[in-house]
Amino acid sequence: SSELTQDPAVSVALGQTVRITCQGDSLRSYYASWYQQKPGQAPVLVIYGKNNRPSGIPDRFSGSSSGNTASLTITGAQAEDEADYYCNSRDSSGNHLYVFGTGTKVTVL
Amino acid sequence: QVQLVQSGAEVKKPGASVKVSCKASGYTFTSYDINWVRQATGQGLEWMGWMNPNSGNTGYAQKFQGRVTMTRNTSISTAYMELSSLRSEDTAVYYCARGPMATIFDYWGQGTLVTVSS
Repeated sequence: SSELTQDPAVSVALGQTVRITCQGDSLRSYYASWYQQKPGQAPVLVIYGKNNRPSGIPDRFSGSSSGNTASLTITGAQAEDEADYYCNSRDSSGNHLYVFGTGTKVTVL
Repeated sequence: QVQLVQSGAEVKKPGASVKVSCKASGYTFTSYDINWVRQATGQGLEWMGWMNPNSGNTGYAQKFQGRVTMTRNTSISTAYMELSSLRSEDTAVYYCARGPMATIFDYWGQGTLVTVSS
């Protein structure tokens, strides 16, 4: 079973803001990274570290963390943001081992 | 440009092994870890393990300990993931991903479908 828990699904109206959360004990000590995956495609890194975006990722994507919860916020959601989103962090042992969250399906209405 | 190109789809019988390759180009192969992630149809991402192409050191998720082996051939910039004692639940798309730092997988292969069926 995953050590990082996400809500299975969220919806957001076009142009509005949505926050996706990821909960787990390891997040008290380590940052999460976030991945977007569209059907039939490989995942894409959208946020890493404290709040860093790879080149080419729109600035409407941002990350934050508090206690055992990491969050990915999409401010002004676009139709192309409809996808599955996964968090990733170290596992609870803190070793050089990682785990993905359970995933959140984001629907843009 | 950075590219990870994986080998083609495989069909295996239960109990067999599969070896998936991941050929890197566009960067120094030995400078970044290679991670392996799988995804069963309609399911989430599952991290399997990492390999340091420079040292050959590896780290495997507990679930796959004893069944997975990650290796490399630095002369051809290629990483390999071998999974043994296959069962139907191993049917999934397997991805390789470059890992510049912990939890950061910045480039991904196209995925390799492994089907386990009798």
